[in-house]
Amino acid sequence: QQQVKQSPQSLIVQKGGISIINCAYENTAFDYFPWYQQFPGKGPALLIAIRPDVSEKKEGRFTISFNKSAKQFSLHIMDSQPGDSATYFCAASRVGNYQLIWGAGTKLIIKP
Amino acid sequence: EAGVTQSPTHLIKTRGQQATLRCSPISGHTSVYWYQQALGLGLQFLLWYDEGEERNRGNFPPRFSGRQFPNYSSELNVNALELEDSALYLCASSNYNEQFFGPGTRLTVL
Repeated sequence: QQQVKQSPQSLIVQKGGISIINCAYENTAFDYFPWYQQFPGKGPALLIAIRPDVSEKKEGRFTISFNKSAKQFSLHIMDSQPGDSATYFCAASRVGNYQLIWGAGTKLIIKP
Repeated sequence: EAGVTQSPTHLIKTRGQQATLRCSPISGHTSVYWYQQALGLGLQFLLWYDEGEERNRGNFPPRFSGRQFPNYSSELNVNALELEDSALYLCASSNYNEQFFGPGTRLTVL
């Protein structure tokens, strides 16, 4: 119930393409869903986050799509660039508990 | 505003020794989280401290321990080091949902 399942484990996308990473959860008490980006040798950094009251949130080339009924959320990176090559983690936390439950991560490689 | 700082950057120990890792949170943040990240793998939750108290711990043996000081900085101790403890140890601070990560301490156990 506490798990967040992330897929795929790795992803290769051509420059200019759309990168899509998916996450699924079981616990309906989750109410905060962030995506973090991590470059090699660095700590993860918040990229974008969403709450269940909206179905989509966009920040620049990055979009979170949220499907409450399916208990799934996904990250879309439009016009993917080599600089987007990184590991991406989804996470979730529930009402009244700020601890994040993390997905396993997706290693994204953008080919020039 | 200064970010999360961790020390040391690198730490080399031999099997059986003890390691102490330190973390200073962002000013005003009362929560500190510790994670272990083995090479190329995901974030494994170790410990969560808030307001000086341990709020939760992950599925790690008792030789992984820590504390949070009155100024909200934190220390992670790993006793009886084993080869598989070699990893990047990340500290994150937060006030609410968003976690801000430090650069990590790379621990190598020989």
